[in-house]
Amino acid sequence: AQSVTQLGSHVSVSEGALVLLRCNYSSSVPPYLFWYVQYPNQGLQLLLKYTSAATLVKGINGFEAEFKKSETSFHLTKPSAHMSDAAEYFCAVSSMAGNQFYFGTGTSLTVIP
Amino acid sequence: NAGVTQTPKFRVLKTGQSMTLLCAQDMNHEYMYWYRQDPGMGLRLIHYSVGEGTTAKGEVPDGYNVSRLKKQNFLLGLESAAPSQTSVYFCASSYWGTGNTIYFGEGSWLTVV
Repeated sequence: AQSVTQLGSHVSVSEGALVLLRCNYSSSVPPYLFWYVQYPNQGLQLLLKYTSAATLVKGINGFEAEFKKSETSFHLTKPSAHMSDAAEYFCAVSSMAGNQFYFGTGTSLTVIP
Repeated sequence: NAGVTQTPKFRVLKTGQSMTLLCAQDMNHEYMYWYRQDPGMGLRLIHYSVGEGTTAKGEVPDGYNVSRLKKQNFLLGLESAAPSQTSVYFCASSYWGTGNTIYFGEGSWLTVV
């Protein structure tokens, strides 16, 4: 069965600093991996997804993630944090049939001015 | 585009009362899902559907029922609400097949007193 683990439920960075949010997956076959962002009192929005086309995936708002099979990781990064990046971030993996999605417990990102 | 629409957005129930959450999507998606979101637990799948007339249990189905009579609608019912069902509920949908993005509604805040 697929699952994801997000290390760090809360991450704080200074404005302009590197953002690194960690996600490790568990899957017996090549997975489909996603990062979603949730702003306060809103639903989840897709940031980016990995579907085996390229190991480095670029998403919206300057975010990117690198799929590393040897480390079973899919960490999310952004070179320079902006105040508007403050939100909850979720890593997810879909089942091989594509009919179920498994989400991590989320990482709350705080950006300090 | 409306995307995924949930109603109602907010509701307060007394223990033992029943209610139905309605989800509608206008993207002609085959798959639909109901998740609940609780602090520190991420999103947990309650029930899902892979097509009109079909439903299946997710991780936390107890106390909930669902129906998918029309392709565009997915209803979540609470027959006898309990305080443990106080949560934020999200409906989502996606196309069939692997690697597809899942799209979320804005959420429904339910409090059971």
